[in-house]
Amino acid sequence: KQEVTQIPAALSVPEGENLVLNCSFTDSAIYNLQWFRQDPGKGLTSLLLIQSSQREQTSGRLNASLDKSSGRSTLYIAASQPGDSATYLCAVTGGTSYGKLTFGQGTILTVHP
Amino acid sequence: DVKVTQSSRYLVKRTGEKVFLECVQDMDHENMFWYRQDPGLGLRLIYFSYDVKMKEKGDIPEGYSVSREKKERFSLILESASTNQTSMYLCASRATGYSYGYTFGSGTRLTVV
Repeated sequence: KQEVTQIPAALSVPEGENLVLNCSFTDSAIYNLQWFRQDPGKGLTSLLLIQSSQREQTSGRLNASLDKSSGRSTLYIAASQPGDSATYLCAVTGGTSYGKLTFGQGTILTVHP
Repeated sequence: DVKVTQSSRYLVKRTGEKVFLECVQDMDHENMFWYRQDPGLGLRLIYFSYDVKMKEKGDIPEGYSVSREKKERFSLILESASTNQTSMYLCASRATGYSYGYTFGSGTRLTVV
């Protein structure tokens, strides 16, 4: 059974810092990995999708890496801003024909001015 | 961009009522999903559908049913709402194939009183 773990559970940083969120998964037989952002009381917004054959993806100040063999992914946020404050969820797809999605518990990020 | 639209952001229903949560996607995705999200429990899969009129139970189907009469629409039905079904409900869709990620709606916050 796939398990996804995110570290740290919460992170508080001053504005402008570069930061790294970590995600690990137990079964390397994945189709892909997604990083999502969730604001309080809202739905999930997909930030980055990394295919199992890829090593990283970039979007603006965000960079996600994937090391499938070791079961790890990191989300790097450059020059953090207060507007980045949210919960960040890592999720892997795989294991079934329809692509079962397994989530981590999330990292609550607070960026203070 | 794929859009997944949930018809209600907030709903308040009484115990015992029959409740319908509606979800529509506009990108011809074969697969649609209903999750609920609760503090400390994360996101849990209730039901999913991989084609019109087809449905499969997820991890917590008890107390719920679903309907998919058209490809773009997936409805979650609470046959007799109970207070323990108070939750955030999230709909998602995904195309079939290894390389595709998930797209989520903005969520419905359901309160059963």
